[in-house]
Amino acid sequence: GQSLEQPSEVTAVEGAIVQINCTYQTSGFYGLSWYQQHDGGAPTFLSYNALDGLEETGRFSSFLSRSDSYGYLLLQELQMKDSASYFCAVTGGFKTIFGAGTRLFVKA
Amino acid sequence: EAEVAQSPRYKITEKSQAVAFWCDPISGHATLYWYRQILGQGPELLVQFQDESVVDDSQLPKDRFSAERLKGVDSTLKIQPAELGDSAMYLCASSTREKELTGELFFGEGSRLTVL
Repeated sequence: GQSLEQPSEVTAVEGAIVQINCTYQTSGFYGLSWYQQHDGGAPTFLSYNALDGLEETGRFSSFLSRSDSYGYLLLQELQMKDSASYFCAVTGGFKTIFGAGTRLFVKA
Repeated sequence: EAEVAQSPRYKITEKSQAVAFWCDPISGHATLYWYRQILGQGPELLVQFQDESVVDDSQLPKDRFSAERLKGVDSTLKIQPAELGDSAMYLCASSTREKELTGELFFGEGSRLTVL
């Protein structure tokens, strides 16, 4: 089977840095994706890691360690608009399975 | 910018009634997914199509749910009869084969179902 674990909630202050962790157990692992979802909105793709290491996209970075079955999403210079749910998802070939999500609260 | 279109946005129904949701994927996207998202949880895959063929419906409750994508473009998800536990957001997503491999799915705004 496949399972993903991520914290249910994280709170941080505007301008700070926050890290959202994700551990996974899966067969046929290809890569780890991250999605953002604002309340009432559609999930939107943020990043994808297939190889070990850090991928940077503006204020967001994503990291993967395949040997540890672990990844994280790093958000820098937090803004109020970053308050949302963040999902990690494992891709195994042509199938994408989502974690339960981490609710990020950004405080002023 | 192309988007995945879904309708209706909201649906309230009584248990035992039939409901249907429609999805129009981004043009040229061969892969179409229906996910169910219960409030506070992640999207759960119900069914995945490649063109008009079902490639994965292992999590679809087939006694009451059905999905079709007859011409390999738009798709309909039906629930009959609806049960209280079906209250959720039903998300449609589409992708190309290339973007699938890099985990990039394009989601619609969803159809929120409330069963009374």
